[in-house]
Amino acid sequence: EVHLVESGGGLVQPGGSLRLSCAASGFTFSDHFMDWVRQAPGKGLEWVGRIRNKANKYITDYAASVNGRFTFSRDDSENSLYLQMNSLKTEDTAVYYCGRVSTLRNAFDIWGQGTMVTVSS
Amino acid sequence: DIQMTQSPSSLSASVGDRVTITCQASQDITNYLNWYQQKPGKAPKLLIYDASILETGVPSRFSGSGSGTDFTFTISSLQPEDIATYYCQQSDNLPLTFGGGTKVEIK
Repeated sequence: EVHLVESGGGLVQPGGSLRLSCAASGFTFSDHFMDWVRQAPGKGLEWVGRIRNKANKYITDYAASVNGRFTFSRDDSENSLYLQMNSLKTEDTAVYYCGRVSTLRNAFDIWGQGTMVTVSS
Repeated sequence: DIQMTQSPSSLSASVGDRVTITCQASQDITNYLNWYQQKPGKAPKLLIYDASILETGVPSRFSGSGSGTDFTFTISSLQPEDIATYYCQQSDNLPLTFGGGTKVEIK
């Protein structure tokens, strides 16, 4: 069965750092672009960014709101995706989802369950 | 960035009713429009991609239409398990953007 499982969320002070992980199983992780999407409490969905696959040189794209503070990486040998978050702000408080970009559908066909990040003093 | 305007933001309907949600893009996105369902405390789930194609396993009471800038999502006969928030999302250009969501409730 295809799964994505995020981990690493928690409480962090403004200006702090946190690293999220997303473990993939049940599919060929290395074939896929992988994205991060977040959802602030009671709010809608916000795209955070994308890391492409090896064939596309692992090129990354970031939302303007996180560019320069967040970094995506992946380890295809470990079927894992990572989100390094630095200089965190209170407005980064959200549930963070990793999502698989379907190779056929130009959509997120698989989502993780999400991990909560709270930025507060 | 492409802005996605979704309406209404919430609606209340009876079981068996036909429910329609609209989504308007700020520029032409051809048919690169997806619809997701999100139940409380859960991750979103893909229902429709490329504006009108039903994802595998999704009930046929869900449908989508439109192209260019104007899109429609329909539930032909609302069921109790359809209580959720629905989001449109454009996949034409980065940054990907979502509509604000439509919360569907049972009257």
